[in-house]
Amino acid sequence: AQSVTQPDIHITVSEGASLELRCNYSYGATPYLFWYVQSPGQGLQLLLKYFSGDTLVQGIKGFEAEFKRSQSSFNLRKPSVHWSDAAEYFCAVGARGSTLGRLYFGRGTQLTVWP
Amino acid sequence: KAGVTQTPRYLIKTRGQQVTLSCSPISGHRSVSWYQQTPGQGLQFLFEYFSETQRNKGNFPGRFSGRQFSNSRSEMNVSTLELGDSALYLCASSWALGSNYGYTFGSGTRLTVV
Repeated sequence: AQSVTQPDIHITVSEGASLELRCNYSYGATPYLFWYVQSPGQGLQLLLKYFSGDTLVQGIKGFEAEFKRSQSSFNLRKPSVHWSDAAEYFCAVGARGSTLGRLYFGRGTQLTVWP
Repeated sequence: KAGVTQTPRYLIKTRGQQVTLSCSPISGHRSVSWYQQTPGQGLQFLFEYFSETQRNKGNFPGRFSGRQFSNSRSEMNVSTLELGDSALYLCASSWALGSNYGYTFGSGTRLTVV
C-alpha cells in the first residue's frame, strides 16, 4: 500500500539557520513526488515536484529537495530559513503512469521559526 | 489568471443536516479533486472528477458525494452530517487526469458541525 511518512511532527529552527524536512515513502514503483506548504487557514501551495531526471530539484522560495531512490526519501531543504517560512509542510506522492490523479500525503511537519 | 475558488470559506451546520460545497477550478482545468483535512486523519482523498465523471474515489461513506458540471465546476455534498465531518475541505484542479500534471489547491471550506 502507498504511504508517506514524515517523521518529524514539529521542528523549530532559528531564523537564518538551515532546514531539512524528512519524507519517506512506500510505493510499488518510483512515484511522482511533491512538497506542499500550508499557512494557517489556507490551502496548499506547491513548493516543488519530482517527476524524473536530476534528483535534486529546485522549487520556489529557495527550497530544494533531493530524491534518493535507495532510501525511498525525498527530503526538503533550505539553506537559510526566513521567519515567513513558518508553516506546515506536506510531502505527497502520486502514481506514475496512471490516469488516477490521487495524491497520498504525509501527516505534515509544522515548522516554527525563532527570530 | 484566477486560482481555484472554493465557496463558502466557512460554514457551520447542525448534526443531521446536509451541506453542499462548491469549487471553481482554474480556467481550462478539467480535473477536480476533493480532500478532507482533519487534525486526526490528516489529508484524505475523497474523489476526483474529470469530464463530469467520477474517475477515482477514496474510502469515505456514501454520505459523501460529488458531481462536476460541463464547465468543470464541481460540488461536493455531505448528507446527514456528523460531528466527525468537521474539517477543512480542499479542492484541487488540474489540466488533465494523472498526478504528473500537478494540482493547484484552493483555500478550502472550513466546515464545523455542531
